[in-house]
Amino acid sequence: DTEVTQTPKHLVMGMTNKKSLKCEQHMGHRAMYWYKQKAKKPPELMFVYSYEKLSINESVPSRFSPECPNSSLLNLHLHALQPEDSALYLCASSLIIGTAMDTIYFGEGSWLTVV
Amino acid sequence: AQRVTQPEKLLSVFKGAPVELKCNYSYSGSPELFWYVQYSRQRLQLLLRHISRESIKGFTADLNKGETSFHLKKPFAQEEDSAMYYCAPKPAQAGTALIFGKGTTLSVSS
Repeated sequence: DTEVTQTPKHLVMGMTNKKSLKCEQHMGHRAMYWYKQKAKKPPELMFVYSYEKLSINESVPSRFSPECPNSSLLNLHLHALQPEDSALYLCASSLIIGTAMDTIYFGEGSWLTVV
Repeated sequence: AQRVTQPEKLLSVFKGAPVELKCNYSYSGSPELFWYVQYSRQRLQLLLRHISRESIKGFTADLNKGETSFHLKKPFAQEEDSAMYYCAPKPAQAGTALIFGKGTTLSVSS
């Protein structure tokens, strides 16, 4: 299994809602990532977990709250989002963080619309 | 400051023509360099990495440290090469993650 699975594929939420995006991989990878991608723009790094510990937080607003419950799962909790947060949220994983031979595998993404 | 530049937003070529997608970087130390590709309706995936010096789907990329470039080349483009291509350097420091360039859309027509 060389897949990163993300759910839901599409999510519409109001600005006062609380929702979560989920990501799962069963490749034994110990690094997991969240990227945000706006239309026709490159993915922007948000968070990196390494061995279930938050390793990188790219100054993301606190309305985005990541969680790594175990080595296979990564969540992104969403609360009080703004319409400008609407984007494709990509989860990715790699064996460990940051080696030249490591391959990062991406999920298909979760399309988020904030209304 | 660390920076990666892909100067062309769109590159349109005819089938069979040579292709070169440019990537220039400005990073301290010796970054590791990757090309990622996103085909229509497919997930982002690794195309090749400089350390492997490999050829994937006919594409090659040579790291030129003097010019700080990592251009992606293919001698004869195919229609199925049409996609978005991202150059992605990774700082040499341990524990750092990929940052993506703005991307170049390659459009190959017959």
